[in-house]
Amino acid sequence: DAGVTQSPTHLIKTRGQQVTLRCSPISGHKSVSWYQQVLGQGPQFIFQYYEKEERGRGNFPDRFSARQFPNYSSELNVNALLLGDSALYLCASSSPGTLGYEQYFGPGTRLTVT
Amino acid sequence: AQSVTQLGSHVSVSEGALVLLRCNYSSSVPPYLFWYVQYPNQGLQLLLKYTSAATLVKGINGFEAEFKKSETSFHLTKPSAHMSDAAEYFCAVSDFTGNQFYFGTGTSLTVIP
Repeated sequence: DAGVTQSPTHLIKTRGQQVTLRCSPISGHKSVSWYQQVLGQGPQFIFQYYEKEERGRGNFPDRFSARQFPNYSSELNVNALLLGDSALYLCASSSPGTLGYEQYFGPGTRLTVT
Repeated sequence: AQSVTQLGSHVSVSEGALVLLRCNYSSSVPPYLFWYVQYPNQGLQLLLKYTSAATLVKGINGFEAEFKKSETSFHLTKPSAHMSDAAEYFCAVSDFTGNQFYFGTGTSLTVIP
């Protein structure tokens, strides 16, 4: 089975621009979460979506938004990019029927803001 | 709120030696606990998880972790380090809803030949 896929792999943007990152979960998984991982740190939770509804939100500004589509894929949008938004953005999918809700991660999108 | 603390941002061991990576959690109720490994320029791979069943959890690649409620710890061990174990290791916690995951800051493991 295919794992979690993310696109694009790498992205370079300038300050003030907007970016959209995409994620396709493992087949059968209905929950998608987004994380930001700054170099040298652990992933920080941004959003979780389940059945197209937001179930959790981390401590990120309103410039960050996301949505989940009927096929359970998801997009993360970041507006008015700042240099500090440069990071690896990870998407993870999970199946709430699984005890412990273990999350399966994609390879990430490396965003560089210049 | 849930949180995890990983003691030691860098750990070095000799090949064949015991690996011990420390993780302490902060939670008012027994949580779900996880260890993930991240190789350079890759996503995170689940090593093992604790879900209130057996306190000693066995994972992939010979790793295991023991849940100790009295110490609020979930340390990761491997009896004999291999060169391929060199990576970044993250401890994570979630509550029973699974709506949020909290990761530690990570421990970079170096294996010396």
